[in-house]
Amino acid sequence: DAMVIQNPRYQVTQFGKPVTLSCSQTLNHNVMYWYQQKSSQAPKLLFHYYDKDFNNEADTPDNFQSRRPNTSFCFLDIRSPGLGDAAMYLCATSRDMKWNEQFFGPGTRLTVL
Amino acid sequence: GDSVTQMEGPVTLSEEAFLTINCTYTATGYPSLFWYVQYPGEGLQLLLKATKADDKGSNKGFEATYRKETTSFHLEKGSVQVSDSAVYFCALSGTSGTYKYIFGTGTRLKVLA
Repeated sequence: DAMVIQNPRYQVTQFGKPVTLSCSQTLNHNVMYWYQQKSSQAPKLLFHYYDKDFNNEADTPDNFQSRRPNTSFCFLDIRSPGLGDAAMYLCATSRDMKWNEQFFGPGTRLTVL
Repeated sequence: GDSVTQMEGPVTLSEEAFLTINCTYTATGYPSLFWYVQYPGEGLQLLLKATKADDKGSNKGFEATYRKETTSFHLEKGSVQVSDSAVYFCALSGTSGTYKYIFGTGTRLKVLA
């Protein structure tokens, strides 16, 4: 089945230690998104790629970066995680930019010690 | 700006009860509307969608009708099950030329046996 895969499902890191979260998709979609979701809140868009074009949300901290080496993979890098970065990180894809539904992965739960 | 307002939860129902979760929106143009469901520890799954006024989305016994005159997209199910316990998010997309999702705050549903 075509799908969005996130690894790992659970990630524990230490305060200030860089961490990378991975997302892959078999849908061959052009757009890939990263969301941050804190407990009992709606997902918050951090940034997205349309093909190779990177689009950062205005309020996304510089501590968060992303890479998309090819169509299938997208990475979220947190350069110096703080306690406030503990959250669920969701990857999503959509076929293109025009009103298409987004397909979400299962998420990675990040714990910062 | 565009926004989505959902009824606050938690909503607690007995099994086989009728469910309504209210969702209203404010938007310029004609958005697409979505309901997503999130089970504990999981990502978001698309439950149903509607792309134009008077469209009815339906899936797994859930229904929602795109009401332009009342700017609403209420989620309904005739008979809930314990397995429906989850958080439900209403979202819109496609206003003002943007594809980004605007989520409601989510409504937690608890169904008791």
